[in-house]
Amino acid sequence: GAVVSQHPSRVICKSGTSVKIECRSLDFQATTMFWYRQFPKKSLMLMATSNEGSKATYEQGVEKDKFLINHASLTLSTLTVTSAHPEDSSFYICSARGESHEQYFGPGTRLTVT
Amino acid sequence: RKEVEQDPGPFNVPEGATVAFNCTYSNSASQSFFWYRQDCRKEPKLLMSVYSSGNEDGRFTAQLNRASQYISLLIRDSKLSDSATYLCVVYMEYGNKLVFGAGTILRVKS
Repeated sequence: GAVVSQHPSRVICKSGTSVKIECRSLDFQATTMFWYRQFPKKSLMLMATSNEGSKATYEQGVEKDKFLINHASLTLSTLTVTSAHPEDSSFYICSARGESHEQYFGPGTRLTVT
Repeated sequence: RKEVEQDPGPFNVPEGATVAFNCTYSNSASQSFFWYRQDCRKEPKLLMSVYSSGNEDGRFTAQLNRASQYISLLIRDSKLSDSATYLCVVYMEYGNKLVFGAGTILRVKS
């Protein structure tokens, strides 16, 4: 399957700081990228959908000013968690989709806010 | 009602057993269907797409019943390495997104 990388894999930050997570599709051009978060023993929750060159579409209840998404190219999307708080601690996973509806996921970023 | 529903399990089965998972979806306009597997603290990985005619990939068989809005996954000759959470996933054209079930936990024991 297609390869999606995500960086960093794990980050610990202090409350009030911002954290940037990068997502790259390595062997295909991703027309659409998705950002999810997952709490322990829960399903993936879609946070936002981004298309290259346009503004992200956020799901209901997700603060766009807190979770900044940039999709600068067909192979790169970034998620910035601004002014992070302990309740933002979670597993953040990006996903990329090419021409078909099949999506491939990055390995995830485990964020811990202290 | 949840958009995609699965029995959370866990299903505890011995090696070599056959196990089946079921999933129902609420939106009859759903277009594409998938099974993903997710290992503990890892990302989901696409296991197989699900087609109306049913499809098989080695020990795995997926079936789709559009009339009943029901999807199934059958695993034959279970291996220890099959232990994971299996996610039923539906593509919604409205919203252009995948919707995930909460997953079914499978534990294969020797």
